[in-house]
Amino acid sequence: EIVLTQSPGTLSLSPGERATLSCRASQSVSSNFLAWHQQKPGQAPRLLIYDASRRATGIPDRFSGSGSGTDFTLTISRLEPEDFAMYYCQQYGSSPFFGQGTRLEIK
Amino acid sequence: QVQLQESGPGLVKPSETLSLTCTVSGASVNDYYWSWIRQPPGKGLEWIAYVSFNGGTNYNPSLKSRVSISIHTSTNQFSLKLSSVTTADTAVYYCARGHQGLATYWGQGTLVTVSS
Repeated sequence: EIVLTQSPGTLSLSPGERATLSCRASQSVSSNFLAWHQQKPGQAPRLLIYDASRRATGIPDRFSGSGSGTDFTLTISRLEPEDFAMYYCQQYGSSPFFGQGTRLEIK
Repeated sequence: QVQLQESGPGLVKPSETLSLTCTVSGASVNDYYWSWIRQPPGKGLEWIAYVSFNGGTNYNPSLKSRVSISIHTSTNQFSLKLSSVTTADTAVYYCARGHQGLATYWGQGTLVTVSS
């Protein structure tokens, strides 16, 4: 089982700033099967990025994903008020697994 | 536009079997892969299982002995059964569509509480 560790646990930033969220895998993620999901309070998660760097349908281009192997990053280039939420990475290889999440909060 | 709606009892007694159904509209269960994912209150996400369009299944190893997922093409639904539940199984249960374990579209979720 590939375990994912996200950092930081909480990230405090202001609107307009750049956010960088990290996801590290315990072993290499095959075929870069790594996704990022956003979840707002009381809502279901929403897929943002899949295959490490492909944006899902309707996702603004301020969201970007990068990385390969064991180290992956979600970058939000300029934070909008609606971007403050929980973010989860997920590997979806043979035994899918979610990271524990990063809380992005307003500073 | 694909929509997924979870349904089932909101309260289950310890040691009993939790049963949930996901009704799919705007898509056919004969296409894609269909997953169940859960989230205990105030905690993170846990993948439970997925079933493919042809009935193939994949289960979380930590839950495999208690979980069954199946697809129902005649009603365009898929379902989850989790046996021998304990209070640790209290969670919001989401159904989702995607490719293998990747969830691309999520249902709104349903809270299941395990309590006597």
